Amino acid sequence: QSALTQPASVSGSPGQSITISCTGTSSDVGDYNFVSWYQQLPGKAPKLMIYDVTRRPSWVSNRFSGSKSGNTASLTISGLQAEDEADYYCSSYTGSTTPYVFGTGTKVTVL
Amino acid sequence: QVQLQESGPGLVKSSETLSLTCTVSGDSISSYYWTWIRQPPGKGLEWIGYFHYSGNSIYNPSLKSRVTISTDTSKNHVFLKLSSVTAADTAVYFCARASYDNSPFDYWGQGILVTVSS
Repeated sequence: QSALTQPASVSGSPGQSITISCTGTSSDVGDYNFVSWYQQLPGKAPKLMIYDVTRRPSWVSNRFSGSKSGNTASLTISGLQAEDEADYYCSSYTGSTTPYVFGTGTKVTVL
Repeated sequence: QVQLQESGPGLVKSSETLSLTCTVSGDSISSYYWTWIRQPPGKGLEWIGYFHYSGNSIYNPSLKSRVTISTDTSKNHVFLKLSSVTAADTAVYFCARASYDNSPFDYWGQGILVTVSS
């Protein structure tokens, strides 16, 4: 099972919106609505931000939203803030012998 | 509030067995899928495997021959054993919880860095 493909880096100015893509295949992202997104601050554990493509845990700001089209899922951060600067990873359920696969990770920089 | 805490040796010699413990507090380890995930320094996340209290376990095929995940429900502990380690196994190891076999990882431990030395 290959890792999902994400851009290495995305940047934006405070207040702007940015979108991170996560491209898989018809066997993972394209076949299941079980895509999650995690935020990882330096030296910290990943934190769940989005699950089931579009759902937000109670602890996550509504500035974060998720979507999916075909084999590509996306995370959008609206009203970008300095505290959003982190690494972001997508993950998808695959239903295979490796039930979970992660993305390659995207470093978000707030200019 | 659910909390997970990894513990174990931070240094393991090459060819030996890596053994880690995840102590869960704030909830019983029954009814969940307890997962180990690792992250080599400066790299991305890799799913290692999970164990469900029913006895069901699934491992990453790339590690399957070397990994065992188990639990001690009396102590609320989740264990990871990885045998015949090499430098490629140097990573931060996280334990995490999933409610179902297709659900996200909603709680994570802080992680523990394990370095494999020659």
